[in-house]
This record gives sequence, C-alpha cells and structure tokens, in this order.
Amino acid sequence: GAGVSQTPSNKVTEKGKYVELRCDPISGHTALYWYRQSLGQGPEFLIYFQGTGAADDSGLPNDRFFAVRPEGSVSTLKIQRTERGDSAVYLCASSLPGLAGDEQFFGPGTRLTVL
Amino acid sequence: KNQVEQSPQSLIILEGKNCTLQCNYTVSPFSNLRWYKQDTGRGPVSLTIMTFSENTKSNGRYTATLDADTKQSSLHITASQLSDSASYICVVSGTGGSYIPTFGRGTSLIVHP
Repeated sequence: GAGVSQTPSNKVTEKGKYVELRCDPISGHTALYWYRQSLGQGPEFLIYFQGTGAADDSGLPNDRFFAVRPEGSVSTLKIQRTERGDSAVYLCASSLPGLAGDEQFFGPGTRLTVL
Repeated sequence: KNQVEQSPQSLIILEGKNCTLQCNYTVSPFSNLRWYKQDTGRGPVSLTIMTFSENTKSNGRYTATLDADTKQSSLHITASQLSDSASYICVVSGTGGSYIPTFGRGTSLIVHP
C-alpha cells in the first residue's frame, strides 16, 4: 500500500531492555513525526524530521529516547533501558514539506508494552 | 503555552442521532485547525481543515465550524452510524515558526444500535 507503515505492530519487552521501532513514511514525504499516545489521550509529540535531520526533538522525554532517519526516508525510534512508563502506542506520521498545518498521514502505530 | 481543550471527554449516542463535539484552543498566532478521526487500533485520519477565514466546512455527514475570535471549533455529526464510533481529535497549528501542531486529548464517541 501507499500509506505509512510501522513495524512491529506490537512489541513486548522487559524492563531495562533496548527496543527499536521502525517507520516507513509515504514516498516523497520529507517531513516525519514521532508521537507517543497513552490510553485515552491525544498524541504527544516526540520528534520531527525534515529530511535527514531532526528539526525539533524537544518532545523526547529524556536521553533514553533517540531517533534517526539516515537517508531521509525510513526512521527508527530507539529506546534504551526501557521503563514500565514507556508503555504506550508509538505513532509515526509523515507529510509533504512539513509546513505548519500540513495534513499528517499516520501509521497504525506500534504498541509497546514494558513488563 | 499553546493548549487545545476538547469536550466532552466521552459521548454515547444512539444510531441515527446527531451530536456536536467542542474544541477550544489558545494557539496563537493561528494557522489552521484540523479534526482527525481515530478508529481503535488505527492512526488518526484527517476529516476537515479550517483556516482563519473559514467559518464552516462539511465533509459528508461531518460539519466543522470555526470561530477564530473566540478560538472555538465544533464538529457536528449528522445521522450517526455505528462506524462513527471512534476518537475525534482537534489539532491546531500556529504560524509562529513551529511545525509542531498542538493536539487535544480527543472525544471518545460510541454509537449504539
């Protein structure tokens, strides 16, 4: 399909482990966003890429969270030393130039559970 | 601080009935406001976009309104269907140089047969 895809769809890990979450944006979309969504809440911004560079990473909660987008397409969100509080759905979205208010196209999310 | 508040938090209606969801925001300067629909287990999907000069916009049975003076928006759903059961999220973008929109918490709508 031509939409945003995320893998895995579900990830269960143990406290203290390292996880990687992958996002494949829509082809040609230069802007890519990562969000975290807890049950009953709206998406919480984590990081925004314009091309290969992180244009805004002000939403990352601490230095255990890191994201890359080395070729300006696929992005990986990396979480080190996972904690139970990291359990949430991690959403990825992409858009065209990323101008304010451009429609963001969301993937289905990765549900992360930290035991 | 930019904020988006939505009400009610949750709503239960019978199939065929109408309903209205509310969104108040403090984002300034304002660029646009979008309503997204998020089905359970899926990512949000944009329903409508409202810019400063627009008061009303419809997308099928969904009608969004915007009052930029009072910083309020509403989403009206007509003749609800079971498939309307979802979370509806109000998202506001500003023009202050940030590409990061502000999300509301969403209204959870359940339509019963």
